[in-house]
Amino acid sequence: GDSVTQMEGPVTLSEEAFLTINCTYTATGYPSLFWYVQYPGEGLQLLLKATKADDKGSNKGFEATYRKETTSFHLEKGSVQVSDSAVYFCALIRIQGAQKLVFGQGTRLTINP
Amino acid sequence: DTEVTQTPKHLVMGMTNKKSLKCEQHMGHRAMYWYKQKAKKPPELMFVYSYEKLSINESVPSRFSPECPNSSLLNLHLHALQPEDSALYLCASSPGDRTYEQYFGPGTRLTVT
Repeated sequence: GDSVTQMEGPVTLSEEAFLTINCTYTATGYPSLFWYVQYPGEGLQLLLKATKADDKGSNKGFEATYRKETTSFHLEKGSVQVSDSAVYFCALIRIQGAQKLVFGQGTRLTINP
Repeated sequence: DTEVTQTPKHLVMGMTNKKSLKCEQHMGHRAMYWYKQKAKKPPELMFVYSYEKLSINESVPSRFSPECPNSSLLNLHLHALQPEDSALYLCASSPGDRTYEQYFGPGTRLTVT
C-alpha cells in the first residue's frame, strides 16, 4: 500500500540555520504530495504542495521539489526562525482511488534563539 | 477564505454522556472529513463525506456517528465513549477533486472521563 516515511525527530536547530526534513514515499501511480505544519495546540495547516514530477512547492520561505526518480519530497528552508518550531507532516494523496491522505509520522522541529 | 471552523474547542465528557462535535466550512467544498489525532501521532482518517454522502468509514466503532446535514456542515455524534477515545478530533474539507489538498480546522480536544 501507499506509505510516507519521514526522517525521525526531534530536530533542534539554531535560528538562521538551514533546514532539511527528508520525506520519501511509496505509491502506485502519480500521487500529489503535501507538507502540512502543526503548531502547538492547533490543527494542521497546508504549507505547500506539488502535483506532478519536478513541481516545486513553496510558501513562507519553505520549498520542496517532487522528485519521481528518487520518490522524495524533502522540505527545505534557508534560514529558520523560532516561529518555525512545530511538527511537520509529509503526506500524499493518490489521483485514483479514495480521497485518503496518507501521512508520514511527523517531525518535531525546535528552533532555539 | 480557507477557513474550517470547529466547535467546541475543548470538550470533557463522561462515558455515559452524549455530545456532538460540529464543523463548518463556507468554501463551497464538496468533500468533508473527520480525523482523530492522538498525541505525537499523525491524524487517522475516520470518515469521508463526498457530496453529502458517506463515502468512507474506516471501520470506526458505532459509538461515533457522523452526520452531514448539508454541504457546509459536518457533525460527529458521540455516545458511550471510552477513555481511550480521548484525542484531538480534526475536521477537514476539500473541493472534491481527488487531486486537491485538504484544509483542516483547529480541532476539538476531547477528554473522556
